Amino acid sequence: EAQVTQNPRYLITVTGKKLTVTCSQNMNHEYMSWYRQDPGLGLRQIYYSMNVEVTDKGDVPEGYKVSRKEKRNFPLILESPSPNQTSLYFCASSGLARDGGAQYFGPGTRLTVL
Amino acid sequence: DAKTTQPPSMDCAEGRAANLPCNHSTISGNEYVYWYRQIHSQGPQYIIHGLKNNETNEMASLIITEDRKSSTLILPHATLRDTAVYYCIVRVTPLQGGSEKLVFGKGTKLTVNP
Repeated sequence: EAQVTQNPRYLITVTGKKLTVTCSQNMNHEYMSWYRQDPGLGLRQIYYSMNVEVTDKGDVPEGYKVSRKEKRNFPLILESPSPNQTSLYFCASSGLARDGGAQYFGPGTRLTVL
Repeated sequence: DAKTTQPPSMDCAEGRAANLPCNHSTISGNEYVYWYRQIHSQGPQYIIHGLKNNETNEMASLIITEDRKSSTLILPHATLRDTAVYYCIVRVTPLQGGSEKLVFGKGTKLTVNP
């Protein structure tokens, strides 16, 4: 089944404790992206990657890192989480060079930073 | 900023057609209209997209006006599981020099009632 998976689905952590949220897709998609969703602010893009070893900042990249060493994986790293990073996070992927097409989203990771 | 305007909420009776409007009066000639939905904090789900012709798939139909300044998403026989926030998005596809980033507005909260 074509899908985007994220782990963990729920995470409660404390300020300053490094964490990684994994994202993996099995559709051989070139493009992958991270969004965060907050009440009243909607979905905002954090980082994106057009292909392996190619990453770029989205609209709200501060406090986050990403890497794209393999096509299927695009982990989101919070080196020193802070309470303002408490949010619902979504990973997404899509193939390039298509007629627009669908962007597929993962199930989400709900992060709470105390 | 989102380039679309949608009503904040709508109701529909189960089994009836749900018609969700979207205004995109500043749409450019090479911008597609996309529809996604998000069911209660799950990852957004692609529904359909189109350029100027009406489109239909297994989930829905998309009707775009001749001047392309507005469109309507039609769920022909709404079920309780169609209760969700529906997002109308316009963007240029990567094939035409656009980006993969989706800019989500506030969407329409559709409630399907039994």
